[in-house]
Amino acid sequence: KQEVTQIPAALSVPEGENLVLNCSFTDSAIYNLQWFRQDPGKGLTSLLLIQSSQREQTSGRLNASLDKSSGRSTLYIAASQPGDSATYLCAVKETSGSRLTFGEGTQLTVNP
Amino acid sequence: GAGVSQSPSNKVTEKGKDVELRCDPISGHTALYWYRQSLGQGLEFLIYFQGNSAPDKSGLPSDRFSAERTGGSVSTLTIQRTQQEDSAVYLCASSDRVWDGEAFFGQGTRLTVV
Repeated sequence: KQEVTQIPAALSVPEGENLVLNCSFTDSAIYNLQWFRQDPGKGLTSLLLIQSSQREQTSGRLNASLDKSSGRSTLYIAASQPGDSATYLCAVKETSGSRLTFGEGTQLTVNP
Repeated sequence: GAGVSQSPSNKVTEKGKDVELRCDPISGHTALYWYRQSLGQGLEFLIYFQGNSAPDKSGLPSDRFSAERTGGSVSTLTIQRTQQEDSAVYLCASSDRVWDGEAFFGQGTRLTVV
């Protein structure tokens, strides 16, 4: 059974810092991995999707990397801003046509 | 539509009543997911529809829960004889391709059973 773990569970940083969020998964035979953010009381917003054949994806200040062999993904946020404060979730899709398995998330607070 | 739409956004119901939650996926999306998020908890998988294939119902917590997807589009999640532990946010997502599509979520339905 696939298990997804996110470390740390919570992170507080001052504005302007670069930071890394970690996601690990137990079964490396994944199809794709997706990073989301969730604001309090809201649904999930997709940030980045990495296919199993890719090593990284970038969108603005966000960069996500994938190392299937070690079962790890990282989300790098450059020059953090208070508006980045949210819970960040990673999810893996094990095979084509299967469910997404989520981690518990990292709650990020960026202080002005 | 512009995104995944869920209705109602909030629902308060009495214990023992049945409720129906609706999800309108992004037009043309072939895959549809339902998840549940209890207060302060992670996302719990409920059910997954993939085109015309038999749905993956392995996450439904009991036989009080059922879901259907009509015409490959709109989906309804039904909870019969609701209990207080059913109180949660129910989230729906869809993706544009069965094999490797990016999943997009709706804003959720907050269900409160009193």
